[in-house]
Amino acid sequence: DAGITQSPRHKVTETGTPVTLRCHQTENHRYMYWYRQDPGHGLRLIHYSYGVKDTDKGEVSDGYSVSRSKTEDFLLTLESATSSQTSVYFCAISADGGRAEAFFGQGTRLTVV
Amino acid sequence: SQQGEEDPQALSIQEGENATMNCSYKTSINNLQWYRQNSGRGLVHLILIRSNEREKHSGRLRVTLDTSKKSSSLLITASRAADTASYFCATDAIGNTDKLIFGTGTRLQVFP
Repeated sequence: DAGITQSPRHKVTETGTPVTLRCHQTENHRYMYWYRQDPGHGLRLIHYSYGVKDTDKGEVSDGYSVSRSKTEDFLLTLESATSSQTSVYFCAISADGGRAEAFFGQGTRLTVV
Repeated sequence: SQQGEEDPQALSIQEGENATMNCSYKTSINNLQWYRQNSGRGLVHLILIRSNEREKHSGRLRVTLDTSKKSSSLLITASRAADTASYFCATDAIGNTDKLIFGTGTRLQVFP
């Protein structure tokens, strides 16, 4: 299995609090992605990174920020969590963006109460 | 809005039957991929087809791509109960092959 881990795996947080999810890879892949998965919506791209300190927005970036200070770590921050951000969050890595297969983490189930 | 939409949303078949899922996308692409997701797990890559390819095979999987219709299909032959999962297509875009945008998925149930 590709070396990609997400932490935490489960989190319950209160509305209005900041939350940071971490994605860590050991594959030295250039591209990293954050998705959220909700029933009826499939996976929606939040933000992605194409290199250290190089990030861009996805389809549903409002209320989220990301940082990538080193190749192996990609952090997703919910600046002020809302109930609509309750979801399962997946991180993915790819050696060559959409031109190569992506490997997924096991997901983080986030509940905002 | 999402790039890809799979059809049907759900599909139920008996073991041994073939399963066909379709993906339609909105903007021109360079690459299209298919992924599988077992319940509660991360996605697993199945196959990648490039825009200059029309058909690709991998074991019991057959993928076709029609760029003129902006559509792709995934055929699973001789389905097994273990094929029960959700299946997603994913695309990049002309001018931005860095992104990987997923569709809404097809839930496949294969009954023994």
